[in-house]
Amino acid sequence: GAVVSQHPSWVICKSGTSVKIECRSLDFQATTMFWYRQFPKQSLMLMATSNEGSKATYEQGVEKDKFLINHASLTLSTLTVTSAHPEDSSFYICSVPKATNEQFFGPGTRLTVL
Amino acid sequence: GIQVEQSPPDLILQEGANSTLRCNFSDSVNNLQWFHQNPWGQLINLFYIPSGTKQNGRLSATTVATERYSLLYISSSQTTDSGVYFCAVGPGANSKLTFGKGITLSVRP
Repeated sequence: GAVVSQHPSWVICKSGTSVKIECRSLDFQATTMFWYRQFPKQSLMLMATSNEGSKATYEQGVEKDKFLINHASLTLSTLTVTSAHPEDSSFYICSVPKATNEQFFGPGTRLTVL
Repeated sequence: GIQVEQSPPDLILQEGANSTLRCNFSDSVNNLQWFHQNPWGQLINLFYIPSGTKQNGRLSATTVATERYSLLYISSSQTTDSGVYFCAVGPGANSKLTFGKGITLSVRP
């Protein structure tokens, strides 16, 4: 399998602040990474595709100015939630597809906005 | 986009029982994966199975791509098998995954 890490694992912040979440592929270089969001008792929904060297591709209904994605290198993608509000509280998970096409997921980041 | 339906939505088993979880999808796929989400939220890869049959211990999976469904078999279930099982599919190489709503499995001692 692949090893994918996320940092932080959980974060609590005040409304209006920005939060940065890191996703690292520890054993595989990835030109593409994916960011998903999961609300309690629900399934995972894709937010955006992070592309190394180019702009991220956002799913319909996801505000690109609110959820900033930077694919800084072949092993690191960051998601910044800007001006966070309580409705942004969720579980954010990244994934890395390997050359075999199988995707591996990070452990997730639980965001709570007060 | 691709639609993914999982059934049943909830499943309660007595320890030692066998079960079959189903995943139907609406279009051709090049990626189909089964995951187990543990209580901390981590998605554990169970199978990468866009077609064919695979087995890993007490778990096995079969995907019939031409009929657009996949089955996950759990034999001799254990309490540690409890959790949510997701099926996710993708249309092409390195493409995004669309998840089903998940199946919540509870295995009672």
